[in-house]
Amino acid sequence: AQKITQTQPGMFVQEKEAVTLDCTYDTSDPSYGLFWYKQPSSGEMIFLIYQGSYDQQNATEGRYSLNFQKARKSANLVISASQLGDSAMYFCAGSSASKIIFGSGTRLSIRP
Amino acid sequence: NAGVTQTPKFQVLKTGQSMTLQCAQDMNHEYMSWYRQDPGMGLRLIHYSVGAGITDQGEVPNGYNVSRSTTEDFPLRLLSAAPSQTSVYFCASSSPGVAGVTDTQYFGPGTRLTVL
Repeated sequence: AQKITQTQPGMFVQEKEAVTLDCTYDTSDPSYGLFWYKQPSSGEMIFLIYQGSYDQQNATEGRYSLNFQKARKSANLVISASQLGDSAMYFCAGSSASKIIFGSGTRLSIRP
Repeated sequence: NAGVTQTPKFQVLKTGQSMTLQCAQDMNHEYMSWYRQDPGMGLRLIHYSVGAGITDQGEVPNGYNVSRSTTEDFPLRLLSAAPSQTSVYFCASSSPGVAGVTDTQYFGPGTRLTVL
């Protein structure tokens, strides 16, 4: 993807609630992929979930699911039953072949 | 498993100095990339490579050089360091998936660079 937009700089969510982090993308490539990464305060990049443009079903990985709406060019991350350990920065990223571009991120804070 | 390794972890430079950030991967990945992350911001692509001998510019290439002489190594060179290059630098590697699109990217732990 050539441009990734995350419009939520920060979010506060109550523990155990579900949360949706928004991501829209812009690309002219026929094949592309969309990622979500988590970056805790320690700084490492943790891969969460991937969706290929050719995938018919939305990707799921445990409590994470990716709500992929191709017509709207959106790839929102849904975290079910949020936990205190989910507090972190979350980045959406898009790939076209070998190049991966990142959005500006959303800081998620979980309230006990 | 080593995965993606980066050295050094921390570095302080004076304006005008040059240095090389090292990156190595042991997963035989074709693709490698360098990103910088400024405080409170996302990752911006500096340079990337699709294989030994092949590199290309990303979003913010000015002031940086790369080369890829082997599949395993992808060093990033700062030619003449400037305070604006103070950042955390991440190296990443991946392989082509379906239709040649990368579907997994592995990151190194990062190098925190300060330019005075």
